[in-house]
Amino acid sequence: GAVVSQHPSRVICKSGTSVKIECRSLDFQATTMFWYRQFPKKSLMLMATSNEGSKATYEQGVEKDKFLINHASLTLSTLTVTSAHPEDSSFYICSASPSVLAKNIQYFGAGTRLSVL
Amino acid sequence: DAKTTQPPSMDCAEGRAANLPCNHSTISGNEYVYWYRQIHSQGPQYIIHGLKNNETNEMASLIITEDRKSSTLILPHATLRDTAVYYCIVRVALQAGGTSYGKLTFGQGTILTVHP
Repeated sequence: GAVVSQHPSRVICKSGTSVKIECRSLDFQATTMFWYRQFPKKSLMLMATSNEGSKATYEQGVEKDKFLINHASLTLSTLTVTSAHPEDSSFYICSASPSVLAKNIQYFGAGTRLSVL
Repeated sequence: DAKTTQPPSMDCAEGRAANLPCNHSTISGNEYVYWYRQIHSQGPQYIIHGLKNNETNEMASLIITEDRKSSTLILPHATLRDTAVYYCIVRVALQAGGTSYGKLTFGQGTILTVHP
């Protein structure tokens, strides 16, 4: 089946530093990937749509300068949390679909737990 | 996308069938019902989807009522590893193109606890 790999699985950083999270589609190409954020005991909230070769589309209320997305190839999207602060601590999850015709069947990475001290 | 309503939590005994309901009374004709689950501290996992016919795969069965206003996800023989949050999502039909396809709106889901 389709596999989406996310790295790192866990990161702890100091306030003010930047953190990069990678999302890779291992056995398929994805022109579009999605980034979600999940706070404890809450549901997933879509942050942005990552588009290969073009700018990401951000959901309302998500700061594009804070959460930089780069989708430089058909198998890799990165999310960089810039100048991270404790309130950015969360579970970040990416997803992608191997099918152009069935994009609503999304395959998710295992998630990255970010803790900002 | 049509709104869905799910019970916040359910319990099930190991080995028994788990029946998870979902209400989607405002579903429109071209919207599918998708089910995902999220085991604690992992990314969500696709389970099954359907339009109006009942569907079955290696993970579960999906029963959709004739009027399509509700559906039930059935895990025929629940195991402890099926303990998770189950999300019912209603979404437009399977189509290529468009920037909105693939964006999933997750509600609160149903916390299913399978106990020994």
